[in-house]
Amino acid sequence: GAGVSQTPSNKVTEKGKYVELRCDPISGHTALYWYRQSLGQGPEFLIYFQGTGAADDSGLPNDRFFAVRPEGSVSTLKIQRTERGDSAVYLCASSLQSGMNTEAFFGQGTRLTVV
Amino acid sequence: AQTVTQSQPEMSVQEAETVTLSCTYDTSESDYYLFWYKQPPSRQMILVIRQEAYKQQNATENRFSVNFQKAAKSFSLKISDSQLGDAAMYFCAYRSLDDKIIFGKGTRLHILP
Repeated sequence: GAGVSQTPSNKVTEKGKYVELRCDPISGHTALYWYRQSLGQGPEFLIYFQGTGAADDSGLPNDRFFAVRPEGSVSTLKIQRTERGDSAVYLCASSLQSGMNTEAFFGQGTRLTVV
Repeated sequence: AQTVTQSQPEMSVQEAETVTLSCTYDTSESDYYLFWYKQPPSRQMILVIRQEAYKQQNATENRFSVNFQKAAKSFSLKISDSQLGDAAMYFCAYRSLDDKIIFGKGTRLHILP
């Protein structure tokens, strides 16, 4: 596709359930980022991949959150035992390569609502 | 740790007028990039303009320009000839060698017809 694609666009789940959020980066982009945006806040960094490996996962809030990128393209953010406080928009971004001078392109996010 | 502060939660401007959005940041690093992103209701972050810290000249992109004051750690965005399509959330952001983008809390911009 032409841009970063995130699916689903919206997800409603019950407290305690497991969810997976998917990100398809722009083809050829090696760097991939996940952010979480709570209501009324700016996006907060969760994790960043360079290729298949997680280069920095310091933003993951706890061990219920996990992300993978097994083939260096599509990434999945996994949340176990969801809590109401996990409700937010989860944004994914990709860059041609890592580095502060390379533009990051964002997807439209997945709005997760935990009820 | 780096922080980005946007002190204006909301702003309004008359169509065709000029508006300035404020941003300050805190860092001990010498080389970094600063950005302004626009987030319309579609939720997709769109890059508006960026500035490298080592460049003294203020960046300009059509109707958008910045006032970068490195010593004061200030990075404001000026939108000239405001248009209805400029209405959105605007986020100031910082990025350095660790590659994370640090965002401010945003400013919601309203354009009054």
